[in-house]
Amino acid sequence: DAGVTQSPTHLIKTRGQQVTLRCSPKSGHDTVSWYQQALGQGPQFIFQYYEEEERQRGNFPDRFSGHQFPNYSSELNVNALLLGDSALYLCASSPGRGRWDTEAFFGQGTRLTVV
Amino acid sequence: GEDVEQSLFLSVREGDSSVINCTYTDSSSTYLYWYKQEPGAGLQLLTYIFSNMDMKQDQRLTVLLNKKDKHLSLRIADTQTGDSAIYFCALVGDGDYKLSFGAGTTVTVRA
Repeated sequence: DAGVTQSPTHLIKTRGQQVTLRCSPKSGHDTVSWYQQALGQGPQFIFQYYEEEERQRGNFPDRFSGHQFPNYSSELNVNALLLGDSALYLCASSPGRGRWDTEAFFGQGTRLTVV
Repeated sequence: GEDVEQSLFLSVREGDSSVINCTYTDSSSTYLYWYKQEPGAGLQLLTYIFSNMDMKQDQRLTVLLNKKDKHLSLRIADTQTGDSAIYFCALVGDGDYKLSFGAGTTVTVRA
């Protein structure tokens, strides 16, 4: 079992560009959550997808959007990139029993640098 | 929203016990977690405690929860060099789907 897989592992983008990050959940998991971790800070919740719908959203602007596919994989899209969007983006998957639980797993993250 | 606070740094001698503290404001928190993050890596769940428990022990790890004071602690017995990492306290509020994290405590184990 590959666990939670994120791609790419690193990327560099220019201000104003758009980026798409991808996440494949652990086998048997149907819920995907995205977090942003700025340097020296704890992860901040962006949103969670369950049954291809955004179930809960954190305090992030509309420039951050997502999608979940029928195979439960997910994408995070960020438009009009700002320097402040530079961070480690973490994906987490869990069984969709309606709550975050002790069977959630995090991926290794995508390190996004905006220049 | 939930506010979770941790001390930022802890230095401990190899073989001693480490105690990492966390305070929170959301009294409806149902699950409280400790995660470990090593350099360049994602988050690894270390242990968790349900809000109706006061203590949980798991090998070298002991979690204490004081609901009255909204205080959570993680004790690592016989701290090893491999325990050097950032430790995050996190919680889920009642009816919530998201984890709220503290800023993390960087633990450095010295010989």
